[in-house]
Amino acid sequence: QLQLQESGPGLVKPSETLSLTCTVSGGSISSSSYYWGWIRQPPGKGLEWIGSIYYSGSTSYNPSLESRVTISVDTSKNQFSLKLTSVTAADTAVYYCVRRRVTATGMFNYYYMDVWGKGTTVTVSS
Amino acid sequence: DIQMTQSPSSLSASVGDRVTITCRASQSISSFLNWYQQKPGKAPELLIYAASSLQSGVPSRFSGGGSGTDFTLTISSLQSEDFATYYCQQSYSTPWTFGQGTKVEIK
Repeated sequence: QLQLQESGPGLVKPSETLSLTCTVSGGSISSSSYYWGWIRQPPGKGLEWIGSIYYSGSTSYNPSLESRVTISVDTSKNQFSLKLTSVTAADTAVYYCVRRRVTATGMFNYYYMDVWGKGTTVTVSS
Repeated sequence: DIQMTQSPSSLSASVGDRVTITCRASQSISSFLNWYQQKPGKAPELLIYAASSLQSGVPSRFSGGGSGTDFTLTISSLQSEDFATYYCQQSYSTPWTFGQGTKVEIK
């Protein structure tokens, strides 16, 4: 059974860079069927999609964060990573890594996040 | 960005009740709509994808419907383990966006 596990510092200072890694176990990150991504949830608030990456390195980012976000993949370690620069208190959130799956039916491809990590809390504070 | 609006924001219901949550998109998204359930302190879990397809392992009391701009998530007979927050999410175009959530509480 595929599992995702986030890791990284729980406390980051304002203006510094948030760095998280997601380790994929029970399956290969190099599968052609999936994308991998990050979603965050500020305390007491809703969910925000940050971005996605394919094992080849192709990425897609939320325009609201694109200038500060980099998602990368390391197929040799079965991991993908998130870097968010110039953080502020507004970046305080639970960060989830996810697998994005596609189901093709006729002329349409339906995308959805079917596997989630447990989440890791990142607090931005001096 | 496509805005997703859920209603109600919260509801109180009893075990055994039929519950319906609505999600409206700011533009047509065909059937590119997913539903997730989140319990306190836990990650969201996928319930429904492509508006009406039940994710493997999800109880059949959950069902989804709709297309275009208006969608529903229905729980046919609410169970104690269903008290949670539910989110809709569009996968029609990036950035993927979520509704603000609907919290289902015990009456």
